[in-house]
Amino acid sequence: EPEVTQTPSHQVTQMGQEVILRCVPISNHLYFYWYRQILGQKVEFLVSFYNNEISEKSEIFDDQFSVERPDGSNFTLKIRSTKLEDSAMYFCASSEIGTGVYGYTFGSGTRLTVV
Amino acid sequence: AQKVTQAQTEISVVEKEDVTLDCVYETRDTTYYLFWYKQPPSGELVFLIRRNSFDEQNEISGRYSWNFQKSTSSFNFTITASQVVDSAVYFCALSEATGFQKLVFGTGTRLLVSP
Repeated sequence: EPEVTQTPSHQVTQMGQEVILRCVPISNHLYFYWYRQILGQKVEFLVSFYNNEISEKSEIFDDQFSVERPDGSNFTLKIRSTKLEDSAMYFCASSEIGTGVYGYTFGSGTRLTVV
Repeated sequence: AQKVTQAQTEISVVEKEDVTLDCVYETRDTTYYLFWYKQPPSGELVFLIRRNSFDEQNEISGRYSWNFQKSTSSFNFTITASQVVDSAVYFCALSEATGFQKLVFGTGTRLLVSP
C-alpha cells in the first residue's frame, strides 16, 4: 500500500536554528498538509497546499513557518529560528482530492526537539 | 466552524471488557466526513474508519464498531472484548466537504487496557 514518507524520524536542534522537515507524499495525490502535535495534546492543522501554493493555513502557521514543493516529489516544512515551544511531533499528510471523500494518508511523523 | 469534542480524557478497563469512546461534532456543512484514528505509544496515526454524512449505517469491523447518529451529532466507537494491544490514544476527526478542507481533531481519549 502506498505510504507517505517523512524524514528524519527524530530531530534535535538548538533554539534559534532553522530546521527543514521532509515529506514524500503519495505520488498521485494532489493535496498536501502539515499537522503538529505537542506532546500529550491533540493534533492541530498547520497548513494545506495545492497547485504549488498554500490553500489554507492556521493561526499557528506564522511567518516562522514556510512550505515548499521543491521538486515533483518532496514537500517540506521549514521552521526558521526555532523556539522551545516548537518541540512537537510534525505529521505530513496527503490526499487524492481536497475533501475527505478518499481520506487522508499520514506519514509516521517527525519528532522535533528544540533544546 | 467545525469542532470535535471527546469528553472522555482517559478510560481504564480490564481485558475482555467492552468500551465505548464518545465523539460529538459540530459543523454547518451538510456534507462532511468523520474519522477515527488510533495513536499507539510509538506515535504514528493509524487510520481506523471514514464515514460520510449521508451514510448513517453502523459499521462493524471485527471487534470494532461505530455508531453514527446525525440527530445527536455523534460518532461513537466501541471496542468489544478489549485487548491489551488496544491501549492507545484514539482521536475522532471531522473534515468538511467544501474547499480544501483540513481535518479537525478532537482532544483524544487515552484507553488503558490492563490484563
